[in-house]
Amino acid sequence: DAKTTQPNSMESNEEEPVHLPCNHSTISGTDYIHWYRQLPSQGPEYVIHGLTSNVNNRMASLAIAEDRKSSTLILHRATLRDAAVYYCILKRGGAGSYQLTFGKGTKLSVIP
Amino acid sequence: DGGITQSPKYLFRKEGQNVTLSCEQNLNHDAMYWYRQDPGQGLRLIYYSQIVNDFQKGDIAEGYSVSREKKESFPLTVTSAQKNPTAFYLCASSISPPLGYTFGSGTRLTVV
Repeated sequence: DAKTTQPNSMESNEEEPVHLPCNHSTISGTDYIHWYRQLPSQGPEYVIHGLTSNVNNRMASLAIAEDRKSSTLILHRATLRDAAVYYCILKRGGAGSYQLTFGKGTKLSVIP
Repeated sequence: DGGITQSPKYLFRKEGQNVTLSCEQNLNHDAMYWYRQDPGQGLRLIYYSQIVNDFQKGDIAEGYSVSREKKESFPLTVTSAQKNPTAFYLCASSISPPLGYTFGSGTRLTVV
């Protein structure tokens, strides 16, 4: 699976928007961009995924660059419960790929 | 509610003993996975199973064994051959082929 690069840590004030960046310059045409988050001592939780177009759901928005070499996860209004490690992962589309390759992610701290 | 149950949450074993971690899902998912997480690191894939009675090695299968006799269950045995077994173990499941993954809450294994 292609590699992603994320900042090790970020801080945000509570109730402010948060933009979490991810670079994936070697992305292939069939790779989906997935985001998961992990709260302390818990399993990862699915946040959002996309292929080419920007995506929105109740948790977050995903903005994908036109060349697909980078993406940004947007939390519109950070709460203390959003403090977690956020993982940006490339997942190959199609029937053959079952594996998710996790990097170290970005540790988001939310300041009250 | 559907989900993945991992038990126990904390497990202590003496060095040299085999130990089996439980993972049960009621999501009717065909595929199941085991990941290992060390402090400050991302997740690494140990084994995965696309369907009952079938499983494949992941990136770090040495010292581990699995079975998949039932769709709902995918137990992981940490054998005495695993050199550094102390870690946080996460089980996941998905439809086959996967679009997204559902994770359990993990088992923290400490070998003394």
